[in-house]
Amino acid sequence: NAGVTQTPKFRILKIGQSMTLQCTQDMNHNYMYWYRQDPGMGLKLIYYSVGAGITDKGEVPNGYNVSRSTTEDFPLRLELAAPSQTSVYFCASRKGQHTEAFFGQGTRLTVV
Amino acid sequence: SQKIEQNSEALNIQEGKTATLTCNYTNYSPAYLQWYRQDPGRGPVFLLLIRENEKEKRKERLKVTFDTTLKQSLFHITASQPADSATYLCALGGGGSQGNLIFGKGTKLSVKP
Repeated sequence: NAGVTQTPKFRILKIGQSMTLQCTQDMNHNYMYWYRQDPGMGLKLIYYSVGAGITDKGEVPNGYNVSRSTTEDFPLRLELAAPSQTSVYFCASRKGQHTEAFFGQGTRLTVV
Repeated sequence: SQKIEQNSEALNIQEGKTATLTCNYTNYSPAYLQWYRQDPGRGPVFLLLIRENEKEKRKERLKVTFDTTLKQSLFHITASQPADSATYLCALGGGGSQGNLIFGKGTKLSVKP
């Protein structure tokens, strides 16, 4: 099993550009998450989904959008990139409540 | 707003000693608490889960306690080894928001030989 796969691993964006961070999981997990991690700041929840067609805002949703059209995929969209969005982004999935989360390897994004 | 605090950013201990990490939370009633390990440049990896009705959980050299009255969890690594050096994160889930899983900032543990 591949687990949780994120692409790309690295990306440099110019201010105002847009991009989509891809996340896919092959474990048939219902719950999926997007976090950002800044140095010394831990993981901040951006958006999450408890199933296909259902998404909810986390702690820091501004500047981001998500969709969940299939169980496997949970892309994160940045419409107008800003320097404040420079961070490492992690996607995670889990089967349901009371279960462990599996993380992807992360996407390091720099906005210049 | 919900708040999770891990007692210190960094903890340095000698090999063989017991490392104790603390996770406190406010404005939240979690149904369970999880602990993860994160190595540099990698995603977090799950270690243990403890539910609100459980006082203690053990796995090999790891032990977790959960006190919902104090709103605190303690994470212990006994007979610590240099290979245990990493950042440890606590995460809370359940409560009022289905599916929500929020993390603390983490504690960086360094075990010196």
